[in-house]
Amino acid sequence: EVQLQQSGAELVRPGTSVKLSCKVSGDTITAYYMHFVKQRPGQGLEWIGRIDPEDDSTQYAEKFKKRATLTADTSSNTAYLKLSSLTSEDTAIYFCTTSSYYNGYPVMDAWGQGASVTVSS
Amino acid sequence: DIQMTQSPSSLPASLGERVTISCRSSQGISNNLNWYQQKPDGTIKPLIYYTSNLQSGVPSRFSGSGSGTYYSLTISSLEPKDFAMYYCQQDASFPWTFGGGTKLELK
Repeated sequence: EVQLQQSGAELVRPGTSVKLSCKVSGDTITAYYMHFVKQRPGQGLEWIGRIDPEDDSTQYAEKFKKRATLTADTSSNTAYLKLSSLTSEDTAIYFCTTSSYYNGYPVMDAWGQGASVTVSS
Repeated sequence: DIQMTQSPSSLPASLGERVTISCRSSQGISNNLNWYQQKPDGTIKPLIYYTSNLQSGVPSRFSGSGSGTYYSLTISSLEPKDFAMYYCQQDASFPWTFGGGTKLELK
């Protein structure tokens, strides 16, 4: 069973950047697409983007394209989300998740516990 | 981007009751619709993929249906562990998008 362990809570200043990690255990990271999803306090889920660790190809939601960077390190089985130029609107829980194919259809099946990011001066 | 609209946003219900949550897409998504459950502690798990396929380990009281732009999740007989948030999500095209969520709460 694949498990995802995310990095801890972050308190960061506006205008700076943060880099979150998501370590995969139980399988090799190259077997999955890795996604990150944002959840602001009391709000719903918002897809940020995904990376294929096999070839580092990425897709991003348009609103995150300029500030989010997804990377993956196959040697440590870890995916990363770097978010720059932070504002209070970035205060949220960030989940990582793997997607697998079931009968040819993608499902975000394993989820991390979430990493809290608070942007405050 | 494809917009996903869920209704209702809040659904008070009783144990044993049958409930249905609706999800509408702003354009056709060819059944590329998944459902997720989020518990109060934040944990998220998939329930149904491609409109009506039950994820492994999900009880058979959960079912999904729909086509075109209209989809639904039904729980046939509510149990205590079912009171949670539910989200629909489309993967027909990038960016993948979620509905706003439905909070299923005990009446």
